[in-house]
Amino acid sequence: NAGVTQTPKFQVLKTGQSMTLQCAQDMNHEYMSWYRQDPGMGLRLIHYSVGAGITDQGEVPNGYNVSRSTTEDFPLRLLSAAPSQTSVYFCASSLVNTDTGELFFGEGSRLTVL
Amino acid sequence: AQSVTQLDSHVSVSEGTPVLLRCNYSSSYSPSLFWYVQHPNKGLQLLLKYTSAATLVKGINGFEAEFKKSETSFHLTKPSAHMSDAAEYFCVVSGTDKLIFGTGTRLQVFP
Repeated sequence: NAGVTQTPKFQVLKTGQSMTLQCAQDMNHEYMSWYRQDPGMGLRLIHYSVGAGITDQGEVPNGYNVSRSTTEDFPLRLLSAAPSQTSVYFCASSLVNTDTGELFFGEGSRLTVL
Repeated sequence: AQSVTQLDSHVSVSEGTPVLLRCNYSSSYSPSLFWYVQHPNKGLQLLLKYTSAATLVKGINGFEAEFKKSETSFHLTKPSAHMSDAAEYFCVVSGTDKLIFGTGTRLQVFP
């Protein structure tokens, strides 16, 4: 029972480098989202998608890009990494909208930007 | 706009004593409210949810929360803490196509 799978679990980047965090779910969930977690700030929504081909911005979208070409996958791209993007990133999915649905989380990707 | 405020960043209890984690919410309409738990180096897991049915909601591992509209509160309680309850707890309110997280309360349980 895989659920939500994130890769890589750890990554170190230099300022200016680009990379993609991968997220895949095998539960046929329509809703997928990316959060970042920073100490004392809870989780903040970066981008989300309510279905294949549809994406929208969350609270902190700057410096990040997403696409949703399939129901299963929702990659998060860092275009030009900055030290302020050092964080733990979580991908989460839900069967339906977030109003009543339960979000299922991956185990996180810890990113350090030097 | 929807928001939540977790009133304590850290709570410490002894094993076997009651747990109270406080959360106030703000919403322009009748909200859905959730508590999530995060154990160290893990993702978040749903503990319980309120979606305008019974105001007293029971969750996993003996936790429960009461929705009080007059006080705009959704506090999380457990009668008797266990060492395995040590974790970070997030109060969450639903927005349009998104969940809005509080800043978290770290629960420590001492033997």
